[in-house]
Amino acid sequence: KAGVTQTPRYLIKTRGQQVTLSCSPISGHRSVSWYQQTPGQGLQFLFEYFSETQRNKGNFPGRFSGRQFSNSRSEMNVSTLELGDSALYLCASSLEIRGQGAAQYFGPGTRLLVL
Amino acid sequence: QQQVKQSPQSLIVQKGGIPIINCAYENTAFDYFPWYQQFPGKGPALLIAIRPDVSEKKEGRFTISFNKSAKQFSLHIMDSQPGDSATYFCAASSGPGGTSYGKLTFGQGTILTVHP
Repeated sequence: KAGVTQTPRYLIKTRGQQVTLSCSPISGHRSVSWYQQTPGQGLQFLFEYFSETQRNKGNFPGRFSGRQFSNSRSEMNVSTLELGDSALYLCASSLEIRGQGAAQYFGPGTRLLVL
Repeated sequence: QQQVKQSPQSLIVQKGGIPIINCAYENTAFDYFPWYQQFPGKGPALLIAIRPDVSEKKEGRFTISFNKSAKQFSLHIMDSQPGDSATYFCAASSGPGGTSYGKLTFGQGTILTVHP
């Protein structure tokens, strides 16, 4: 099976712009989670979508939003970019097995640089 | 209460050594504990995971030890190799009814260097 794919891999934006990142999960996985990774804050959970519904949300401002489509592909959007939004944005998909947890498999990430 | 504390921040061992990375958590609702390995420029890769009803789990050269009463778990890498040099993250999630497993809380990471 193909792994999690993310596009684009690299992105440069300026403050105030908005950006949309895309994630295609592993085939058959219905849960997609997004994380932000920075040297200072580490890996932080943004949100999770399951069957097109946001199921969990992290402590990020409303400028960060996402959605999931019927084919489980997901997008996240960041509006009014700030310098501090420069980070590696990671998407992970999982196949939940009741009573056994859900292993999350990460994509390679999108490296966003805000100037 | 959602924190996962990981130590040490960095670790240097010789080839063949057994590096040990420790994590402690506070939230007793956590019931799924994975470890991830990340190489520069790559996303984290799932290594091994454990649930609290098991005290130890082995997969190849990687072993997780779990102490539920102390709320601690650790990763041991047997016969470490230079190719194991990477950043390792512990994580935790909770999932009553499987609804929160998509939200992982990560430790701060450990940079492991294995010298030849």
